[in-house]
Amino acid sequence: GAVVSQHPSRVICKSGTSVKIECRSLDFQATTMFWYRQFPKQSLMLMATSNEGSKATYEQGVEKDKFLINHASLTLSTLTVTSAHPEDSSFYICSASSGVHTEAFFGQGTRLTVV
Amino acid sequence: AQSVSQHNHHVILSEAASLELGCNYSYGGTVNLFWYVQYPGQHLQLLLKYFSGDPLVKGIKGFEAEFIKSKFSFNLRKPSVQWSDTAEYFCAVVTGFQKLVFGTGTRLLVSP
Repeated sequence: GAVVSQHPSRVICKSGTSVKIECRSLDFQATTMFWYRQFPKQSLMLMATSNEGSKATYEQGVEKDKFLINHASLTLSTLTVTSAHPEDSSFYICSASSGVHTEAFFGQGTRLTVV
Repeated sequence: AQSVSQHNHHVILSEAASLELGCNYSYGGTVNLFWYVQYPGQHLQLLLKYFSGDPLVKGIKGFEAEFIKSKFSFNLRKPSVQWSDTAEYFCAVVTGFQKLVFGTGTRLLVSP
């Protein structure tokens, strides 16, 4: 299957700082990328959907000013957690798809710890 | 809103036992259904998917799932599990908006 690379895999940051997470599709053009958050022992919760060249669509309850998503090219989307707080500590996963009714491929996830 | 229910949160089986993991979804329209697996320390991987056609879908590693529209179900089955099937299994549904909605996952432990 296609490869989606997410970086970094782990990051620890101080409260109040910002953290950027990258999601790259290595061997296909991802017209749509999805960002999920996974709490311990819970399922993946969709945070936002981004289409290349347009603004991301956020799910209800997700603060768009806190979780900035940029999808500037067909192979790269970034999630920036701004002014991070300890409650933002979580596992963030991206996935990428090349179109409707096609499989979405997942990155390996990023473990964010805010201290 | 769409939702996916996985009734078994933890399942423990011995090798060679048969497996069935339940998945029910709530959405009245056309759905595409998926089962993903996450082996320890690895990415989520697609096991199988249903878009249309034969409701009995065969996936990788001997897994299959049956879509029963009247029951809003998409249960995952394997006739004989192996130790290497130890993983977490997620059922997911995507609606016309391309968004995947996941179930809470089922942790399967297969003892040798």
